[in-house]
Amino acid sequence: DGGITQSPKYLFRKEGQNVTLSCEQNLNHDAMYWYRQDPGQGLRLIYYSQIVNDFQKGDIAEGYSVSREKKESFPLTVTSAQKNPTAFYLCASSMLPTGQGSYGYTFGSGTRLTVV
Amino acid sequence: QQPVQSPQAVILREGEDAVINCSSSKALYSVHWYRQKHGEAPVFLMILLKGGEQKGHEKISASFNEKKQQSSLYLTASQLSYSGTYFCGTPWNTGNQFYFGTGTSLTVIP
Repeated sequence: DGGITQSPKYLFRKEGQNVTLSCEQNLNHDAMYWYRQDPGQGLRLIYYSQIVNDFQKGDIAEGYSVSREKKESFPLTVTSAQKNPTAFYLCASSMLPTGQGSYGYTFGSGTRLTVV
Repeated sequence: QQPVQSPQAVILREGEDAVINCSSSKALYSVHWYRQKHGEAPVFLMILLKGGEQKGHEKISASFNEKKQQSSLYLTASQLSYSGTYFCGTPWNTGNQFYFGTGTSLTVIP
């Protein structure tokens, strides 16, 4: 079955460490996205990518970095510059850039990151 | 920039109806609706592409009023499985920045 796989499901980070969250999709979707969700809050856009080797910052990109070397993969690195990284991270993909087609987002199951 | 949803939270008994509203300060080109169960990823419900469009999904339907820059989600004869947080979402302009609404927590009790 096609879908998005995020790993790990739970991740613990020590102060000053960089950690990388994996996101892989086999839906042949062009666009991929990273969102952050804090408890009881909505989803905030970190980065998005429409094409390989190209990506754009969202509203809260500071302290995060991404790469899109393959269409299927869009890993997110949470750097030590991100001072409050504890949150639920969601990766999503869509067939077309949203707003131009009849396709919604497909989300991965998420990674819960905690600073220890 | 984030669409505002109302109400923030609602509690229903099984079989009751609910309406969730999504309002934007900017023009809406399309509206998505998602439902998120606690601790899980959001699940796509439907998309409305044209002003005035209405869609249905089981007993859940939605309308899109382009002129008023708002959309409403209608849940009729609610079931326990409808519990969760509902988000609307919309792109700004025709670009690819996509914003989710503030969310509405819906709890259905027996």
